[in-house]
Amino acid sequence: AQSVTQLDSHVSVSEGTPVLLRCNYSSSYSPSLFWYVQHPNKGLQLLLKYTSAATLVKGINGFEAEFKKSETSFHLTKPSAHMSDAAEYFCVVSQYGNKLVFGAGTILRVKS
Amino acid sequence: GAVVSQHPSWVICKSGTSVKIECRSLDFQATTMFWYRQFPKQSLMLMATSNEGSKATYEQGVEKDKFLINHASLTLSTLTVTSAHPEDSSFYICSARDPDRGEAFFGQGTRLTVV
Repeated sequence: AQSVTQLDSHVSVSEGTPVLLRCNYSSSYSPSLFWYVQHPNKGLQLLLKYTSAATLVKGINGFEAEFKKSETSFHLTKPSAHMSDAAEYFCVVSQYGNKLVFGAGTILRVKS
Repeated sequence: GAVVSQHPSWVICKSGTSVKIECRSLDFQATTMFWYRQFPKQSLMLMATSNEGSKATYEQGVEKDKFLINHASLTLSTLTVTSAHPEDSSFYICSARDPDRGEAFFGQGTRLTVV
């Protein structure tokens, strides 16, 4: 079965500094991986997805993630944090039947 | 703009009453939709998979008689929380996968508060 582990429940960065949100996955076959962002009391927005093409995936709002099979990781990064990036981020793996398995989430706080 | 619309965005109801939440795909046909539940400060948990024209598939531990799902058309799925109790208060989110774009889109979510 597929599973996702987000290594940090909370991450705090200063505005303008890099962001790193860590995610490890477990999958019995080549997975599809996603990062979603959720702002308070809002739905989820797709940031980016990996579907076995390029291992470095670029998403919206300057985010990118690198799929590393040897490390079973799919960490989310951004060179320079903005105040509007403060939100909760979910790493997600797609399961058979198009079910999505969510990580526990990482709350990103951006300090001014 | 939103491609999956969920309504209402929030609802407050009395214990014992039923609440219906609608999920619509706006610009694609969705043979399958998913319903998730999110408790405060927790991740999303899949409740059930809604299949157009057939019965929903419920995840283990989810009461199918309590959470009624109807997927009557290719663009609409509904979740009815029957005989709601305060412990049903939660954030419910639907999603639908666009087969052409290969991406799952999420509704805005519904904040249910049972008093």
